[in-house]
Amino acid sequence: AQKITQTQPGMFVQEKEAVTLDCTYDTSDPSYGLFWYKQPSSGEMIFLIYQGSYDQQNATEGRYSLNFQKARKSANLVISASQLGDSAMYFCAMSEISSGSARQLTFGSGTQLTVLP
Amino acid sequence: DAGVTQSPTHLIKTRGQQVTLRCSPKSGHDTVSWYQQALGQGPQFIFQYYEEEERQRGNFPDRFSGHQFPNYSSELNVNALLLGDSALYLCASSLMAGVQPQHFGDGTRLSIL
Repeated sequence: AQKITQTQPGMFVQEKEAVTLDCTYDTSDPSYGLFWYKQPSSGEMIFLIYQGSYDQQNATEGRYSLNFQKARKSANLVISASQLGDSAMYFCAMSEISSGSARQLTFGSGTQLTVLP
Repeated sequence: DAGVTQSPTHLIKTRGQQVTLRCSPKSGHDTVSWYQQALGQGPQFIFQYYEEEERQRGNFPDRFSGHQFPNYSSELNVNALLLGDSALYLCASSLMAGVQPQHFGDGTRLSIL
């Protein structure tokens, strides 16, 4: 069973607008971590934001925020004030901590974001 | 502060050959993980090394093996290369303690002819 689902293969957003990238996950582990990574066309994987399953507040890092809805098993990434440099592939990933796989990331299939001038 | 470095950047091999990819972790990190990313897909976990031992392994055949050295650097070896092994191979490092975000290198793009 797929553990991370990203249903938007591609998204377009106008420069300076906000955009939400969807991510749903599936796990029976009560302790897990959720990550978002950005991968430009050059290939490197850039860490953006982390949310722990027991964190009470949604994570924020600059223009990035994570809309964590535990009951719905969703962890959407919100990018505010989009910039042209935000154009890239975005991956949602999860690690299951209780099972001892804290450093084994399971990735979704990604969302290609294009920011339009 | 040097990040994760991988070598080589690109590599071309033929079926049946063997290849070795190298990774130096971010300064201060003690754990190295390897991922395979086929074109148009998300990365798939291959295995993880800590204290010079393989700690976890994903669903990859024994043709994929690795090593971690005392300085925490790591190698990924793939034997009997298949066309399907063509991919971007990413190395990631982190600390074993706690839940830390993994920092990735730029990857090695392996092409099998």
